Formats: sequence, structure tokens, C-alpha cells
Amino acid sequence: NAGVMQNPRHLVRRRGQEARLRCSPMKGHSHVYWYRQLPEEGLKFMVYLQKENIIDESGMPKERFSAEFPKEGPSILRIQQVVRGDSAAYFCASSPPQSHEQYFGPGTRLTVT
Amino acid sequence: KQEVTQIPAALSVPEGENLVLNCSFTDSAIYNLQWFRQDPGKGLTSLLLIQSSQREQTSGRLNASLDKSSGRSTLYIAASQPGDSATYLCAVSAGNQFYFGTGTSLTVIP
Repeated sequence: NAGVMQNPRHLVRRRGQEARLRCSPMKGHSHVYWYRQLPEEGLKFMVYLQKENIIDESGMPKERFSAEFPKEGPSILRIQQVVRGDSAAYFCASSPPQSHEQYFGPGTRLTVT
Repeated sequence: KQEVTQIPAALSVPEGENLVLNCSFTDSAIYNLQWFRQDPGKGLTSLLLIQSSQREQTSGRLNASLDKSSGRSTLYIAASQPGDSATYLCAVSAGNQFYFGTGTSLTVIP
């Protein structure tokens, strides 16, 4: 059973470009969470999704950020018109139904130049 | 709002020492508490998960305790090794998310 997969592992974007981060949860897991880790800071919750539904997006910036978890395929975290302050490690976690234990992926390190 | 604090922020010990990492949280209404290890530039590795109804969990040289009423958890590492050097993160599960502390950076000196 493969773990949580994230790609790309490293992503470099120029200011104003779009960044798309992908997360494939563990097999059998229907819940996906996205977290952001800024340099020298702890992980901060962004959004919690189930298949085709956003359950909690209280941690998402109001503009430029969006997330989806379609019926088929990975969950996508999309950042439009990136700025230097978006440079961070973005982690995805998944959990099975009826569980609060989260399994983390290796992260995507986004660098905005 | 749940806040998680980890003390100390950094710790350096000689190889072979036993050590304790501390984690405190402000709201006792949690589902569980999980300890993770993060190596530089890497993802999170789960070490121990304690359900809210449990008091402690053990895995090898690691022992984690949970006192929900006082909002505290400790991670005990026995006979530390240089390979234990990493950042240790404590996270509590409440509502729809995990709340993370900022971690304790551990260095074990050979």
C-alpha cells in the first residue's frame, strides 16, 4: 500500500505564474488535508476535503488559493498569480473514513522567484 | 482556538542520554495527539498516536504520555542516538484539522 504521494516534490515559479500541487491519498482514504509550512514556522492547516466536497477551508487565504478533490484523480491545490510570500513547503495528508489519524506525504517545496 | 506549544525549541544532548520533549495545548477537547519526526527538507514521519481516551503509547525507545485535563503530552526518548537528530512535532486533532506546535529541534552528539 503506497503512502501519500505528492508531486512535484520541488516547484519553481516566477511571480505571477500559477502553481498546481497534486496529492494522491493512500488507498482507501477518502479525506484529504492540505497544510503549509513557512520557513521557521509550524505547519498551518489550509483546507480539508472529501471526494467532490470542500468540508473546511477556514485556513485558506481568501484570494488566489483554491483546492479540489475530484471523484477521479488526485487532489489539487492551485495557487494563482504566485508571490514571493507563497514560497513554502506544502504538505498533504490523508485519513480513512471515521478516523482522525492523518498520514502525511513528502511535501511539495514551492519557490517563487 | 487551539494553540500548541513545544518546549524547548532546541535541545542538544550527548549520545546515550534519556530525554523528554514537552508539548502543551490549550483546549482539552481533542480526538487524539500525534508525535511526528521531520528531518531537514523532508516530510513528516508519524512516531506515536495517542487517542484521547489513552494515557500513553510506546514504540521501541519512544514513550509518549497524554494528560488531557492539564493539556500536556511528553515524548520520552531512551538511550538517544545520533540518528534521532531531527525536529519533533506535536499535533493535536480537533475539529477538522491538526494543530501543530513549532517543534523541538533535537541534536544528539556522538
